[in-house]
Amino acid sequence: AQKITQTQPGMFVQEKEAVTLDCTYDTSDQSYGLFWYKQPSSGEMIFLIYQGSYDEQNATEGRYSLNFQKARKSANLVISASQLGDSAMYFCAMREPNTGNQFYFGTGTSLTVIP
Amino acid sequence: DAGVIQSPRHEVTEMGQEVTLRCKPISGHNSLFWYRQTMMRGLELLIYFNNNVPIDDSGMPEDRFSAKMPNASFSTLKIQPSEPRDSAVYFCASSRRTSGNTGELFFGEGSRLTVL
Repeated sequence: AQKITQTQPGMFVQEKEAVTLDCTYDTSDQSYGLFWYKQPSSGEMIFLIYQGSYDEQNATEGRYSLNFQKARKSANLVISASQLGDSAMYFCAMREPNTGNQFYFGTGTSLTVIP
Repeated sequence: DAGVIQSPRHEVTEMGQEVTLRCKPISGHNSLFWYRQTMMRGLELLIYFNNNVPIDDSGMPEDRFSAKMPNASFSTLKIQPSEPRDSAVYFCASSRRTSGNTGELFFGEGSRLTVL
C-alpha cells in the first residue's frame, strides 16, 4: 500500500482564491510527522509546513495551513490568497521515526494559478 | 549556515561511463537521503543513511548503483556503468531529528544527469 497518496495530479486556482491540495497517509505508528514541500519550475525542493501526529492544533505558516484530520489520516494543504508564484509541484511527505526516520513522498500535485 | 551542497550540478556523459555524484549534508545533521526524480517515476528514494550507516537501500535500482557515506560530512552516489535510463535529477537531502525540532528534510539543488 502507498504510504502517501495524492490523488490530484493537477489543480487550477484563480489568483487570490484559496485552494486545497489533498493528501492521505497510511501508518500504524502513533508517532509520525507530516510535511509539505513545494517544487517550482526551477527545481529546488522547498519545505513549507510541518504537522506532528500529537499536535492538536492545525499547523499554519503564513498563507499555508495544514488541515490535519487524524482519524481520516488526511493532511491537506490549504493555500489562501493564491499568488502567481504559487504555481509549482507540491509534495506531501511523512516521516516515521519507528522505521529509522524513513521519509515517504507522494506523487505530487501540480498547481497552476490563473491570473 | 550553508545548505546541502551537491556536485556536479549538471553532468552529461556517455553510456558506459562511470558517474559519481557528491553530497555534503548540513553540519550536525545525522540522516542523509538520496532521491532520484524523473517525469515518469516521480521522486524515488534510492538509499538513506542514519549516522553514516546505510539503513535502507532497497530503492537502489540495481548493482550498477552504489552509495557511500565515509563520514558525517560527505556522501557519494556512484553509477557504473551508466545507461540512458539513468538520466534524471538526483537529490541529496539531510535532516536532524531531535526532540524539539521537526526533522524536516533539507534538499540540495540536485544534480541533473544526462546519459547519452
